[in-house]
Amino acid sequence: QVQLQESGPGLVKPSETLSLTCSVSGGSISSYHWSWIRQPAGKGLEWIGRIYTSGNANYNPSLKSRVTMSVDTSKNQLSLKLTSVTAADTAVYYCAREPADWGQGTLVTVSS
Amino acid sequence: DIVMTQTPLSLSVTPGQPASISCKSSQSLLHSDGETYLYWYLQKPGQSPQLLIYEVSSRFSGVPDRFSGSGSGTDFTLKISRVEAEDVGVYCCMQGLHPPTFGQGTRLEIK
Repeated sequence: QVQLQESGPGLVKPSETLSLTCSVSGGSISSYHWSWIRQPAGKGLEWIGRIYTSGNANYNPSLKSRVTMSVDTSKNQLSLKLTSVTAADTAVYYCAREPADWGQGTLVTVSS
Repeated sequence: DIVMTQTPLSLSVTPGQPASISCKSSQSLLHSDGETYLYWYLQKPGQSPQLLIYEVSSRFSGVPDRFSGSGSGTDFTLKISRVEAEDVGVYCCMQGLHPPTFGQGTRLEIK
């Protein structure tokens, strides 16, 4: 079973860019699509977007203007960038190989 | 976006008793390829969601057979035939059409 591990700064200042990496082990990143999902504390899950190893991506229309996802097959890693963050972007961020394989999540807090 | 509405939002169940959670979507989840992309997850405290059911009624590998999913179109149900203590957590439905959206979650506790 593939293992996913998110990493990145736990604290980001308002208006700055949130950058996260997801390292995939136990299998190749190729030939699958990969997603990012977030969950504010005590709230429901929100799908951020999905990227294919071709480089094509689909984003949630609500976040599309601020989101960029990429994949590095040589490193077996995914990345997420979210620009112009506000407190509303504070959440646990998960990477996943839908529908079954999820990382443990990483908490990102947006605060000055 | 498709809105997923779960009921009830909380359940308190005696071990050994059944439980049922409803998930209704604001539009049909039947894809043009003939599949219905409706999933059920359980999120245990402090953990990431774990897949229980995919495509309405298929039980994921390792999931006990006391869990079952049913439904079609816009109405879906997750049933636990005999609740066990390890089943506590938040149950969430997810639809896989674009963009994927999740239900609010149903918290199950043991009496």
